[in-house]
Amino acid sequence: QSALTQPASVSGSPGQSITISCTGTSSDVGSYNLVSWYQQHPGKAPKLMIYEVSKRPSGVSNRFSGSKSGNTASLTISGLQAEDEADYYCCSYAGSSTPLFGGGTKLTVL
Amino acid sequence: QLQLQESGPGLVKPSETLSLTCTVSGGSISSSSYYWGWIRQPPGKGLEWIGSIYYSGSTYYNPSLKSRVTISVDTSKNQFSLKLSSVTAADTAVYYCASNIVVVPAAFDYWGQGTLVTVSS
Repeated sequence: QSALTQPASVSGSPGQSITISCTGTSSDVGSYNLVSWYQQHPGKAPKLMIYEVSKRPSGVSNRFSGSKSGNTASLTISGLQAEDEADYYCCSYAGSSTPLFGGGTKLTVL
Repeated sequence: QLQLQESGPGLVKPSETLSLTCTVSGGSISSSSYYWGWIRQPPGKGLEWIGSIYYSGSTYYNPSLKSRVTISVDTSKNQFSLKLSSVTAADTAVYYCASNIVVVPAAFDYWGQGTLVTVSS
């Protein structure tokens, strides 16, 4: 199993929207609507931001949204804020009770 | 809400076995709603799922680590544990324990703070 593919970095200005992609295969992202997204600030544990492709846990801002098309999932952050600067990881179910993480994307708020 | 806390040695010698324990509070590890998982992150790198366990003892491991990993559960102590054998410098990482919703695989909703384990002589 290879890690899901994410861009190494993305950037945006405050107030703008950005999208982070997460590309897998027909065996993981393409087969299941079970993609989650995590936000990780330096030195902190990851935080669940999106699950089941587009659902938000209680307490997560509605500026965060998720979608999927084929073998690629996406995380969109609208109304970018300085506090959104962090690393973001996608994760997909890959069958046989196995989750698979992406390599991570560093978001810089300019 | 659930709270998870990792504990164990921060330094392990090469070829030895890394052992960590995760203590769960705020809920029962015997809940049918959760798997309990271990995830690691080498310094400056991404997240890697190591494996998960259900309260019944059923285990699921990352195929790339399966030959060296054992995860166990102690329901009487509300804890689950990780053993990784024959460690090398490549196993140096922050190790996290996390809860994984059974009906939503790949959704880890509660995480421990993480513990850094360094493999060095």
